[in-house]
Amino acid sequence: QSVVTQPPSASGTPGQRVTISCSGSTANIESKAVDWYQQLPGTAPKVLIYSNNQRPSGVPDRFSGSKSGTSASLAISGLQSEDEADYYCAAWDDSLNGYVFGTGTKVTVL
Amino acid sequence: EVQLLESGGGLVQPGGSLRLSCAASGFTFSNYAMSWVRQAPGKGLEWVSGISGSGGSTHYADPVKGRFTISRDISKNTLYLQMNSLRAEDTAVYYCAKGLYGDYSHWGLGTLVTVSS
Repeated sequence: QSVVTQPPSASGTPGQRVTISCSGSTANIESKAVDWYQQLPGTAPKVLIYSNNQRPSGVPDRFSGSKSGTSASLAISGLQSEDEADYYCAAWDDSLNGYVFGTGTKVTVL
Repeated sequence: EVQLLESGGGLVQPGGSLRLSCAASGFTFSNYAMSWVRQAPGKGLEWVSGISGSGGSTHYADPVKGRFTISRDISKNTLYLQMNSLRAEDTAVYYCAKGLYGDYSHWGLGTLVTVSS
């Protein structure tokens, strides 16, 4: 079981704003940069947000990341059908000396 | 364009060995740390191992420590994962990714490893 937890599911209607939480500890989320990955069905993961709130080129600005203490959040505004995917937060963990992924959140567009 | 292509997956019996390869192109391979990440069927992502750009520093997740060895051949632009003493719980799609401490900017398509008798 991962040391970083996320809600198993989240949902919204097209156009709504959805927020996914990511809860960790001082060894990972609080002290390290947080990344977010999107995994569409049947495909490899893709980085959505890196270093807490930075978007790689090509990622729509509907996606935003934030962090406060031992928690981080990913917000998707203006939800679209193509956003239906699994989302994972991740960060380096100084105690484990490894990169830890959150438990993952499945986003459903109703 | 950055490309990562894994190979070497397949069916292996419990206790057996397998070596995965990841051929990298489109970037200066020796300048970047690399990692292996796996995903068991229907499960989430799990970081397995990472290696620095020079190959001088390696890291392993506890479940694979002592059984898996990560390495890289800079002359061949290839990342490897030697997997020994394989167990049923190692069954997963194995992805190689560009990055180690964060920002896994590029991923391969993955290779499936099935451990079963």
